[in-house]
Amino acid sequence: ETGVTQTPRHLVMGMTNKKSLKCEQHLGHNAMYWYKQSAKKPLELMFVYNFKEQTENNSVPSRFSPECPNSSHLFLHLHTLQPEDSALYLCASSQETPGQSYGYTFGSGTRLTVV
Amino acid sequence: AQSVTQLGSHVSVSEGALVLLRCNYSSSVPPYLFWYVQYPNQGLQLLLKYTTGATLVKGINGFEAEFKKSETSFHLTKPSAHMSDAAEYFCAVSSGNTPLVFGKGTRLSVIA
Repeated sequence: ETGVTQTPRHLVMGMTNKKSLKCEQHLGHNAMYWYKQSAKKPLELMFVYNFKEQTENNSVPSRFSPECPNSSHLFLHLHTLQPEDSALYLCASSQETPGQSYGYTFGSGTRLTVV
Repeated sequence: AQSVTQLGSHVSVSEGALVLLRCNYSSSVPPYLFWYVQYPNQGLQLLLKYTTGATLVKGINGFEAEFKKSETSFHLTKPSAHMSDAAEYFCAVSSGNTPLVFGKGTRLSVIA
């Protein structure tokens, strides 16, 4: 399998549930990202992992908890979410070299609905 | 800090007509510029990118974009629209040392 794979594709969860989103990249990239895409809002960068170290956390509520066990896998753990957290969650990866940018490869996303 | 402005949240063209999607950027250093396309319930797919060198960049599906430093623009064009081009298009900028910054997107509709 190639590219960036996200599972599950769709998730419906109650506000008291705990669930996790999974992302796996098969490209040998050294950086991974979580984005949130809500209707009629721009893409929101949530977390950045570079060489498995979290380098950016854009004021994301603590009910979202990322985990990057290795450079190929990225998780987003969810607990006690709110209905406004319903969105498409996109994972991306890239090969980061200081001073260079080659663009990101995105997964197909997980459509999350919080009820 | 970098930013991207995409003019027009929705553009509608007839099939066979020219597609022009506008993107202006702000960057204090030479930018890396990207165009992505997103089909419904899918992730973003890279259409083309400008890093250095030739300012006219060709991408997939017949799209191209021209980097104009003097105008801080990176507009996306396609000579003849096809129904399958209907999608959301995102422009993005990076300095090479920061995460990509995306514009708000432009939804392209193609009318038969």
